[in-house]
Formats: sequence, C-alpha cells, structure tokens
Amino acid sequence: NAGVTQTPKFRILKIGQSMTLQCTQDMNHNYMYWYRQDPGMGLKLIYYSVGAGITDKGEVPNGYNVSRSTTEDFPLRLELAAPSQTSVYFCASRGSGRRTEAFFGQGTRLTVV
Amino acid sequence: ELKVEQNPLFLSMQEGKNYTIYCNYSTTSDRLYWYRQDPGKSLESLFVLLSNGAVKQEGRLMASLDTKARLSTLHITAAVHDLSATYFCAGPGGSQGNLIFGKGTKLSVKP
Repeated sequence: NAGVTQTPKFRILKIGQSMTLQCTQDMNHNYMYWYRQDPGMGLKLIYYSVGAGITDKGEVPNGYNVSRSTTEDFPLRLELAAPSQTSVYFCASRGSGRRTEAFFGQGTRLTVV
Repeated sequence: ELKVEQNPLFLSMQEGKNYTIYCNYSTTSDRLYWYRQDPGKSLESLFVLLSNGAVKQEGRLMASLDTKARLSTLHITAAVHDLSATYFCAGPGGSQGNLIFGKGTKLSVKP
C-alpha cells in the first residue's frame, strides 16, 4: 500500500541551485497536485495535473515547473532556488469524481540557504 | 474563489473536556473535508462531508456540515492526549479538483 511517495524527505539547497522533487502514486489517479505549506498558512497550490500530458498553474507557481509524462509521476522542478522557497512541499493525488478525497505524500522539507 | 476560515487557530484543552472547531467558507459548496496533521507528518483524511446535514463520527471526533450556513464543525468529546495535532478543513477549489485549505487549528490536549 504505497499510495503517494515523495522523495527526498529533506533537502538543503544553496541559493541559485536547482532540484527536482519526485512524486509517484500507485492508485492510478488522474489528478495530482503540488502544495507548499508554510507555518500558520495552511497549504497553497503550486501546480496541478488532470492527467498525463496536462498540467496547469495553481495559486503560487512562480519559481517552479512541472511535467506529467505518465499517470504515476508528477515531479516538481525548482530552478534557481531562493530563500522564499524554504517550505514543506506536499504532493497529493485523487481519483476521478467530484467528491473523492485527496491522498497526500509524506512531504519534502526544503531549506534554501 | 472559495475562502476557508477556521477558528480557533490554537486550542489548548484539558483531557476529558469537550470543544468544537469551526470552519466557515465563503461560497456555496456541497462538500467539505477534514484532515489531521501530526508534527512533521503528512495530512491524513479524517472526514469527507458530502451533503447538507451530513454528520460523521470516528471515535471522539464528530464532524458536521451545514451548507446553508456555510459552516462545518469538528466536535471533540472527552479529549485525550492522542488527539493533539493540527486539524485542517478544506473545500473544493474548482474544476481542477484541488482543495482550498484553512490555516489549521493546532490542538494541544494537556493532562
């Protein structure tokens, strides 16, 4: 029962470096999401995908990029990391149907110094 | 777009006491979700409320939805330390199926 798997769990980046946060799900879900969580602020949507080959921006997309080449994988790319990107990142997925719940990965804690 | 407000944001309770967390949302919605997050952990789905008047219970937690009042409540009965966590309510964000989250209620249950 893997569900949604994210790697890495922790990462420290220097300003200007790049990295990819990996997310994979084994539930054959069409919908996948990337959120960031900052202290006391709830979760904010970065990017989402409604199926392989289809992605779109969420509320806070600047500084990030995504791709969705398969149903299972939805990587999040950070280019030119900035301190404002220090956050906890969660990947989530859900099945089709308006009323299905979302399942979350374990999170990636990223610090940019 | 939907806005979700939770209150209180911080709640310190004694074991054995009852309390309610409130979740107000700004636009008409036919569903509402509650999640629990332990420190440093992921979000765990607690309840999915799908219609007006929906009530769901799991152990010492009971959630309800009043779509006319745009209000959901999470009631805690006879709190125990294991319930200490942050609780989020969330509503549907739009056709893309994402969730709009409240800021969370950090619950601390003390002996």
